[in-house]
Amino acid sequence: DQQVKQNSPSLSVQEGRISILNCDYTNSMFDYFLWYKKYPAEGPTFLISISSIKDKNEDGRFTVFLNKSAKHLSLHIVPSQPGDSAVYFCAASAGAAGNKLTFGGGTRVLVKP
Amino acid sequence: KAGVTQTPRYLIKTRGQQVTLSCSPISGHRSVSWYQQTPGQGLQFLFEYFSETQRNKGNFPGRFSGRQFSNSRSEMNVSTLELGDSALYLCASRLTETEAFFGQGTRLTVV
Repeated sequence: DQQVKQNSPSLSVQEGRISILNCDYTNSMFDYFLWYKKYPAEGPTFLISISSIKDKNEDGRFTVFLNKSAKHLSLHIVPSQPGDSAVYFCAASAGAAGNKLTFGGGTRVLVKP
Repeated sequence: KAGVTQTPRYLIKTRGQQVTLSCSPISGHRSVSWYQQTPGQGLQFLFEYFSETQRNKGNFPGRFSGRQFSNSRSEMNVSTLELGDSALYLCASRLTETEAFFGQGTRLTVV
């Protein structure tokens, strides 16, 4: 049972345009959400997070939106740069569950120059 | 500030052997968790340690075990290795209930 889903396995976007990555979850106990960027054979790099008490968090080119009623979050990257080409994972945790992160399957982003 | 350090980076083992992987968390981080990444199953939680105690455990067989030392360094052990244990094993450390920072991982190949 996949509790966190990223339904788009890949995304191709032109440099300078917006990249929008989507993530859906089913567990209503999740109260903290994170996005990670990952290159092959390396560990995930933390990008941005959001608590369930917020609906938006922004950090530079990255903005995460959370829609609790729809159990949906998205990551916006504006403007997209070639260096953003990587696999992006959304992850969720439930506070009472400590440090357990449940990951989505990832979305591979290709930014074309 | 040094990041999460995992050793070794690469490892080749034979079926039936056992293996121990090591993780040094970011200084001051007391929570260490382990994940397995495979092409078929994605990133899956193995277990978490906090102050030398296992606080959480994923859905893996008992062949997978871990421990944490008083300096917060952690090890995970896999006994009786199977071909399906070939994966990238990732360690993450966390200061509080916020973002987890990952190491570069140990690539384990079982032949």
